Amino acid sequence: DTAVSQTPKYLVTQMGNDKSIKCEQNLGHDTMYWYKQDSKKFLKIMFSYNNKELIINETVPNRFSPKSPDKAHLNLHINSLELGDSAVYFCASSQDHNGYTFGSGTRLTVV
Amino acid sequence: EDQVTQSPEALRLQEGESSSLNCSYTVSGLRGLFWYRQDPGKGPEFLFTLYSAGEEKEKERLKATLTKKESFLHITAPKPEDSATYLCAVQAGGSYIPTFGRGTSLIVHP
Repeated sequence: DTAVSQTPKYLVTQMGNDKSIKCEQNLGHDTMYWYKQDSKKFLKIMFSYNNKELIINETVPNRFSPKSPDKAHLNLHINSLELGDSAVYFCASSQDHNGYTFGSGTRLTVV
Repeated sequence: EDQVTQSPEALRLQEGESSSLNCSYTVSGLRGLFWYRQDPGKGPEFLFTLYSAGEEKEKERLKATLTKKESFLHITAPKPEDSATYLCAVQAGGSYIPTFGRGTSLIVHP
């Protein structure tokens, strides 16, 4: 069983479109995250969310928004996609912020 | 300004040639330092957490150590399957969100 699964694995879309990436974890962890990995492999936190608190990295454009229907899911919605949004997006989860478990990533290409 | 700096950026080793990767940090109030391994096309895989200076953790050919300013990931007698990018992340101060370094890309030649 995959611990943290995200879909789709690849996403190619045109500028201006709105898209979503889904993430689910079956580990029973209390916190989920979204990270962006750029072309130089640098991982940057975008959001951290548990059922009590949403922490947003202030550098993330408000075109990006996390949606959590329940404790096991944290989806990422992106409006008005731009070329610079092209990257690999990773979902992760942890219990008490220790030892993250990452998903396999979604490679987003905006054309 | 990077708070977490990894070196070298890339490292090529022959199979069996031991070496060390470095992660230096300039944060105060360290909560934890994490090491991850990332294979191409995959998400980072958790390896170790270190909490205090002097602590050491081992897993197969990997050994992680921690001082007040840096951590080392020692690789003993590496094999080609150890080839990957190794990421260091630091959790410090009032934030539980780790800051990642830019990683060291390791290639082990047979």
